[in-house]
Amino acid sequence: NAGVMQNPRHLVRRRGQEARLRCSPMKGHSHVYWYRQLPEEGLKFMVYLQKENIIDESGMPKERFSAEFPKEGPSILRIQQVVRGDSAAYFCASSPRGESDIQYFGAGTRLSVL
Amino acid sequence: GESVGLHLPTLSVQEGDNSIINCAYSNSASDYFIWYKQESGKGPQFIIDIRSNMDKRQGQRVTVLLNKTVKHLSLQIAATQPGDSAVYFCAENIAGGTSYGKLTFGQGTILTVHP
Repeated sequence: NAGVMQNPRHLVRRRGQEARLRCSPMKGHSHVYWYRQLPEEGLKFMVYLQKENIIDESGMPKERFSAEFPKEGPSILRIQQVVRGDSAAYFCASSPRGESDIQYFGAGTRLSVL
Repeated sequence: GESVGLHLPTLSVQEGDNSIINCAYSNSASDYFIWYKQESGKGPQFIIDIRSNMDKRQGQRVTVLLNKTVKHLSLQIAATQPGDSAVYFCAENIAGGTSYGKLTFGQGTILTVHP
């Protein structure tokens, strides 16, 4: 049973470009979460999705960031017009249920904005 | 300019010793807690979890203790090995409401195990 798969592992973008980060949850998991981690800090929650629904996006910046989890295919975190401050590691997690459940993490995508 | 990162708490132990990593949480409504281990360049790896109706839970070589009175969580690792060297995070989840899927992470503790 494959774990949470994220791609790409590393992504380099210039300021103003778009970044698309993909996450395939573990088999049988319908809940997906995105977190951001800056160097030497803990992970910060961004958004929680179920298939075709955004459940909680309280951690998402209001502009330039969006997330989706379509009926078919991976979850996508999209960052438009990237700025240097977006450079971070972005982790996706999945769980079989939502509330009070173990979240299993992928290896992350490390975004560098030049 | 160069950014200065936060300095995480550190714990250095000798191989074979027991390690205790502590975590304070702030939200008394939190009802579910998880410990994660993160190695350099990797994602957080689940170690052990505990619900608020318990005060102790044991796994293989690890024990988590929960003290709700003082909002404190600890992770005990028995017979620590060099492979245990990593950053350890506690995370909490609040039951109910719209934030029930959200984990709030602590700042992390760097554990270094010397052979």
